[in-house]
Amino acid sequence: GESVGLHLPTLSVQEGDNSIINCAYSNSASDYFIWYKQESGKGPQFIIDIRSNMDKRQGQRVTVLLNKTVKHLSLQIAATQPGDSAVYFCAENMEGYGQNFVFGPGTRLSVLP
Amino acid sequence: DTEVTQTPKHLVMGMTNKKSLKCEQHMGHRAMYWYKQKAKKPPELMFVYSYEKLSINESVPSRFSPECPNSSLLNLHLHALQPEDSALYLCASSPQGGLAGRWTQYFGPGTRLLVL
Repeated sequence: GESVGLHLPTLSVQEGDNSIINCAYSNSASDYFIWYKQESGKGPQFIIDIRSNMDKRQGQRVTVLLNKTVKHLSLQIAATQPGDSAVYFCAENMEGYGQNFVFGPGTRLSVLP
Repeated sequence: DTEVTQTPKHLVMGMTNKKSLKCEQHMGHRAMYWYKQKAKKPPELMFVYSYEKLSINESVPSRFSPECPNSSLLNLHLHALQPEDSALYLCASSPQGGLAGRWTQYFGPGTRLLVL
């Protein structure tokens, strides 16, 4: 389940299940989005990106969905593994604003054995 | 070489000290970035260098002073920091910078800074 509060939102899933991590982005003019994974003690690692002219993009075991109408982004991880445990951030960017990506608050994914 | 390296990994400094954080990449990237990340928070952009020129300064206090000696190196000079500046400082690089196009940023492991 998912818990939200003063701490980082946490999503707990059983190993082997699918995970869905959600992100509400702030700027309706944003047209490029990235999902990052940050493991403890490491910097963020690129997972997958999507441009606003698409509503779905698939990678290896991951799928990103974009709903521009409600400014919502989701990351789906298939067959979640212990190595997927990390904090996941979405980041948004707007054409003409260069490389200034604004990161969302993040969600901690905890994979249960 | 496909990584961004940062030194030191950890740094403890007093409020009157002067120290520097270093970042290096050998991927031929022409844009480099400094981010600040507080515990349980997302990274916040501080500075962007594009082709060795400062292109973005996100209203960062002058006690943080970036420097880009060449396209592979990025420094962050620290002076008279405050305890609230304690955070993880992340460096990143991307193939290009500038206003046009969007480029994946590759992050280093960060320097964890504690200001006493």
